[in-house]
Amino acid sequence: NAGVTQTPKFQVLKTGQSMTLQCAQDMNHNSMYWYRQDPGMGLRLIYYSASEGTTDKGEVPNGYNVSRLNKREFSLRLESAAPSQTSVYFCASRYRGPLVPQHFGDGTRLSIL
Amino acid sequence: GESVGLHLPTLSVQEGDNSIINCAYSNSASDYFIWYKQESGKGPQFIIDIRSNMDKRQGQRVTVLLNKTVKHLSLQIAATQPGDSAVYFCAEEKTSYDKVIFGPGTSLSVIP
Repeated sequence: NAGVTQTPKFQVLKTGQSMTLQCAQDMNHNSMYWYRQDPGMGLRLIYYSASEGTTDKGEVPNGYNVSRLNKREFSLRLESAAPSQTSVYFCASRYRGPLVPQHFGDGTRLSIL
Repeated sequence: GESVGLHLPTLSVQEGDNSIINCAYSNSASDYFIWYKQESGKGPQFIIDIRSNMDKRQGQRVTVLLNKTVKHLSLQIAATQPGDSAVYFCAEEKTSYDKVIFGPGTSLSVIP
């Protein structure tokens, strides 16, 4: 039982490059989330998806897009990376109910030069 | 003891002692709370949750206490072990507002 799986684990980009962070969960969860975690700060919600086919903006959506490809997969895309997007990105999920997630992946460490 | 450095507050405890980690939450209307444990290089791991209609909930070696009067949440870890060394943070949610606030966390260091 893998839980929430994120790829890649590490990535270095140049300013202006684009990339997609992948996330998949095998727990049949309805809700999926993308967070960023910066030093000394709490997790901040970028986007979430309450169910397949729906997505909503979170606290810090600018510069990002998401796709809920199916119930299992939720991807995060940076169209034109900026140094301010250097962060650790976490995908998370929950079966349903409260917004706050219960299961997290191990993160993607992204550096933008 | 507990100290506030440039980054996260740090709590150092002796192996076998009990640990108490505190969280001051911001919204008096929040009605659901979670504690997470995050080990270095890993994602947050759910430990225990509590709803606002309760003031105490116990799990395996952990207890969460909720004091709504002063907007305070605490996590108690009994017989702290080296494997408990991690960052612990709380999250609060007011479900009808669809907003979750995460605390920055406290770093727990267990001295063998």
